[in-house]
Amino acid sequence: KQEVTQIPAALSVPEGENLVLNCSFTDSAIYNLQWFRQDPGKGLTSLLLIQSSQREQTSGRLNASLDKSSGRSTLYIAASQPGDSATYLCAVRGWDTNAGKSTFGDGTTLTVKP
Amino acid sequence: DGGITQSPKYLFRKEGQNVTLSCEQNLNHDAMYWYRQDPGQGLRLIYYSQIVNDFQKGDIAEGYSVSREKKESFPLTVTSAQKNPTAFYLCASSIAGQGAHEQYFGPGTRLTVT
Repeated sequence: KQEVTQIPAALSVPEGENLVLNCSFTDSAIYNLQWFRQDPGKGLTSLLLIQSSQREQTSGRLNASLDKSSGRSTLYIAASQPGDSATYLCAVRGWDTNAGKSTFGDGTTLTVKP
Repeated sequence: DGGITQSPKYLFRKEGQNVTLSCEQNLNHDAMYWYRQDPGQGLRLIYYSQIVNDFQKGDIAEGYSVSREKKESFPLTVTSAQKNPTAFYLCASSIAGQGAHEQYFGPGTRLTVT
């Protein structure tokens, strides 16, 4: 059974700092990995989707990498801003399903201080 | 605007009552999902559907029921058999079948049962 872990559970940084969020998974046979942002009391907003054949994806100040062999993904946020404060979740879709089901990590709650 | 709507945003019920949460999408997606999120945790899959008139249990289906009579709609009923129904419920949709398909989420419904 796929297990997804995100460490640390919480992170606090000063504005302007570059930072890395980590996501690890136990089964490397994945279809894709998706990073989401969740604001308090809100739904999830998709940030980046990395297919299993890709190594990284970029969108603005965000860069996500994928290393299937080691079961790891990182989300790099450049020049962090207070507006980046949110919980970041990663979700992994495995090869064992054709149904698009994903396994989620518990998230990393990021606070960017002005 | 294309997207997923969930209603209501907040829902309060007495213990022992069934309650139905609404989820509607106009993204023309075949696949729809219901997740539950508890404080400080990731998402757990309740039910999913890949096509109209068909649905499958997820990891925590006990105490819940769904229907998929229309492509656009996937309502979730929380029955009195669900022992801990208080949670944040999220609906999602995606293109069905194989492929690196993104999941799109609604804004969520917070259910409180007392």
